Amino acid sequence: AQSVSQHNHHVILSEAASLELGCNYSYGGTVNLFWYVQYPGQHLQLLLKYFSGDPLVKGIKGFEAEFIKSKFSFNLRKPSVQWSDTAEYFCAAAYTGAGSYQLTFGKGTKLSVIP
Amino acid sequence: DAGVIQSPRHEVTEMGQEVTLRCKPISGHNSLFWYRQTMMRGLELLIYFNNNVPIDDSGMPEDRFSAKMPNASFSTLKIQPSEPRDSAVYFCASSRNELGKTQYFGPGTRLLVL
Repeated sequence: AQSVSQHNHHVILSEAASLELGCNYSYGGTVNLFWYVQYPGQHLQLLLKYFSGDPLVKGIKGFEAEFIKSKFSFNLRKPSVQWSDTAEYFCAAAYTGAGSYQLTFGKGTKLSVIP
Repeated sequence: DAGVIQSPRHEVTEMGQEVTLRCKPISGHNSLFWYRQTMMRGLELLIYFNNNVPIDDSGMPEDRFSAKMPNASFSTLKIQPSEPRDSAVYFCASSRNELGKTQYFGPGTRLLVL
């Protein structure tokens, strides 16, 4: 079965610390990969996505993610977090084949940034 | 462009009442998804449609839940009768398969069943 796993349930960082959130997927074929962010009390918003090409993807708000095919990973990074990055982050994958329309989401990682 | 629109944004009802949640997907999107999010269970996919046809409803908790998509621009999720354990935030999302299946989420409906 297709699955997405996120390594950390809750990460606590001080402002200006670097961030890396792990994400691994298990798929037999080609996938599209996504990171979504959910700020407190809000809906999920797209942070960045990878379909093909350069495996280093840059998203909004200074976030980036690197697709490493050999490791089935798509980790999210930010060199210096801010208090406003406090949110829950979801990794997701979509099988690119025909007949499949949904995303498989990881369980999410809560990030708390301490001022 | 307007995003995914959901109504109502908040709903408070009493146990046993019927609840209807509404969603208008982004114009041109051909897939629509209903999710439920709670603290205990996280984000759960309830059902999704492609070209107005239900594709997978295996996430629907029980027969009290039903969803319809009568046309490309409207979908409903109905709970009848509602129970306190149905209290959650219900999100609708839409995507266009030809655009890599990126899903765009609506603001959600916060449902409280007393």
